[in-house]
Amino acid sequence: TQLLEQSPQFLSIQEGENLTVYCNSSSVFSSLQWYRQEPGEGPVLLVTVVTGGEVKKLKRLTFQFGDARKDSSLHITAAQPGDTGLYLCAGEYGNKLVFGAGTMLRVKS
Amino acid sequence: DAGITQSPRHKVTETGTPVTLRCHQTENHRYMYWYRQDPGHGLRLIHYSYGVKDTDKGEVSDGYSVSRSKTEDFLLTLESATSSQTSVYFCAISPLGTGIYEQYFGPGTRLTVT
Repeated sequence: TQLLEQSPQFLSIQEGENLTVYCNSSSVFSSLQWYRQEPGEGPVLLVTVVTGGEVKKLKRLTFQFGDARKDSSLHITAAQPGDTGLYLCAGEYGNKLVFGAGTMLRVKS
Repeated sequence: DAGITQSPRHKVTETGTPVTLRCHQTENHRYMYWYRQDPGHGLRLIHYSYGVKDTDKGEVSDGYSVSRSKTEDFLLTLESATSSQTSVYFCAISPLGTGIYEQYFGPGTRLTVT
């Protein structure tokens, strides 16, 4: 069974701070995706990374896929209260996704 | 936003009763999925479908069945609800076959089994 471990589980920071969230596995994935989920809503796709070593930027968010395609990180620069939410990573294998348990981020103003 | 709706959005039911949740899509995507989300566990796959009348089990399928008689509808049935099935249920769809695998989620159904 493929497993994805996310760390930290919870993160509470002040507006303007930087942070990094990690997603690790012992399995190799064809691709890895990051989702953000707000209370009472379904997850929303942020990005998909496919190639080992790939880096993608989405405004203040930077996503990196590990060289061996087993891990990924999400870095947020100058966090804002609107970044508050549950961040989920998901690895693709076959025609399914396996999800990490998520990192709950709270950005205080 | 992908056209996915779930019904009902909230339901309270008693232990032992059957419950059916509905997922409806307007995107004509081939793949549809049912997940449950519980604190500390993230999203866990219950069942998925890769076409009309084609379904397969996920990692937590015990106590659940699914049906897909039309491309746009995917039903999840709890045969005899138990308190351990209290959860938030999400449906997702995917345009698998386009080269990149991504899923789009519905708004969820909060189910409470008393």
